[in-house]
Amino acid sequence: RKEVEQDPGPFNVPEGATVAFNCTYSNSASQSFFWYRQDCRKEPKLLMSVYSSGNEDGRFTAQLNRASQYISLLIRDSKLSDSATYLCVVNKKGRRALTFGSGTRLQVQP
Amino acid sequence: GAVVSQHPSWVICKSGTSVKIECRSLDFQATTMFWYRQFPKQSLMLMATSNEGSKATYEQGVEKDKFLINHASLTLSTLTVTSAHPEDSSFYICSARDASGSSTDTQYFGPGTRLTVL
Repeated sequence: RKEVEQDPGPFNVPEGATVAFNCTYSNSASQSFFWYRQDCRKEPKLLMSVYSSGNEDGRFTAQLNRASQYISLLIRDSKLSDSATYLCVVNKKGRRALTFGSGTRLQVQP
Repeated sequence: GAVVSQHPSWVICKSGTSVKIECRSLDFQATTMFWYRQFPKQSLMLMATSNEGSKATYEQGVEKDKFLINHASLTLSTLTVTSAHPEDSSFYICSARDASGSSTDTQYFGPGTRLTVL
């Protein structure tokens, strides 16, 4: 079983739609959680950290459920520029390197 | 924000040659840098953790004699792919953690190096 699992997609949505991505992680010792965005042939870029209380950054909302080991990302009012691969990333306690999910591809269509 | 550079951004080489990739933290010191590899349509996989002034720590299945890592200063780590073969063709990405302690777990990624071995 992969440490971080994501639905690979692709998710094809129209502009303005709301879309949600889910992610599960297997290691209960994980202590930090992030969503990264990766454009084609580019490096990943931090989108937002994810906290147990849930957090929002503009059109993006992230949620963490530690009991279920589940992380979500909600994108409201999708823009064409949101088209990318979204990577769920966790950091285990005592380990400095990040563990990446394989990503969920989003394609926003006009 | 913090900036990490990689050089070269892409390289094409013949099978059997060695390729060196540099990773630099431009505006902060990094005692730890990480090297990842990403094959098409797959996730980033950690290859090794580069520690300034000491030996790198390699992930299981990564040959340390094939992927030589040197972290001679707080701002530079190098990855040398020795005797490269076509199956080594991949996107190599480094990342660095700010040693100042002001950041939590944020890692800053370099732009990646695309290696193609013919």
